[in-house]
Amino acid sequence: KNEVEQSPQNLTAQEGEFITINCSYSVGISALHWLQQHPGGGIVSLFMLSSGKKKHGRLIATINIQEKHSSLHITASHPRDSAVYICAVDSNTGNQFYFGTGTSLTVIP
Amino acid sequence: NAGVMQNPRHLVRRRGQEARLRCSPMKGHSHVYWYRQLPEEGLKFMVYLQKENIIDESGMPKERFSAEFPKEGPSILRIQQVVRGDSAAYFCASSPLRGARNGQPQHFGDGTRLSIL
Repeated sequence: KNEVEQSPQNLTAQEGEFITINCSYSVGISALHWLQQHPGGGIVSLFMLSSGKKKHGRLIATINIQEKHSSLHITASHPRDSAVYICAVDSNTGNQFYFGTGTSLTVIP
Repeated sequence: NAGVMQNPRHLVRRRGQEARLRCSPMKGHSHVYWYRQLPEEGLKFMVYLQKENIIDESGMPKERFSAEFPKEGPSILRIQQVVRGDSAAYFCASSPLRGARNGQPQHFGDGTRLSIL
């Protein structure tokens, strides 16, 4: 079993829809990260959070430490949001950084 | 400010050759991490380095792979006698301090896509 599980694996949405991507983890963490990866491109860090909620533009990330769960929300989705979204956790023991397998999002105009 | 620079972007090698991947961290960053992304799989931690020191190489394959981060110059991930299974995207990330414990996110490079013929 992976230390980080994401769902759904693939997601297709109409432009304007509200999108939620979920992440569950099984290890103790010092922080959780949401990353964005475009096809053939690099990785951009969207959020780093250890508690509560953060908002940046149309993106919102929440984390529940007790339940070991985080969600990434995209409001008013747009085709340019199409990418792979990756959840990653910074372990609080050792130096490991564990990644989910990603959620591939396609937003259709 | 230049971000994390990785080169080359694409590297093709034949089986048995050596591959050298370079990573220049962001200015002022002294912590470097290497990750591997195999086709259709998620990213996996390989190694964590500070200047002139390997801090954690628990994710590195035991043979053929090595990494360094010298006092001057970029960090190098070296793969000797490459095999087909080494084909992957290799990402480097850097941070000024040790990760989230100091409130510092990692900044990623664009990766090197290694193809083994």
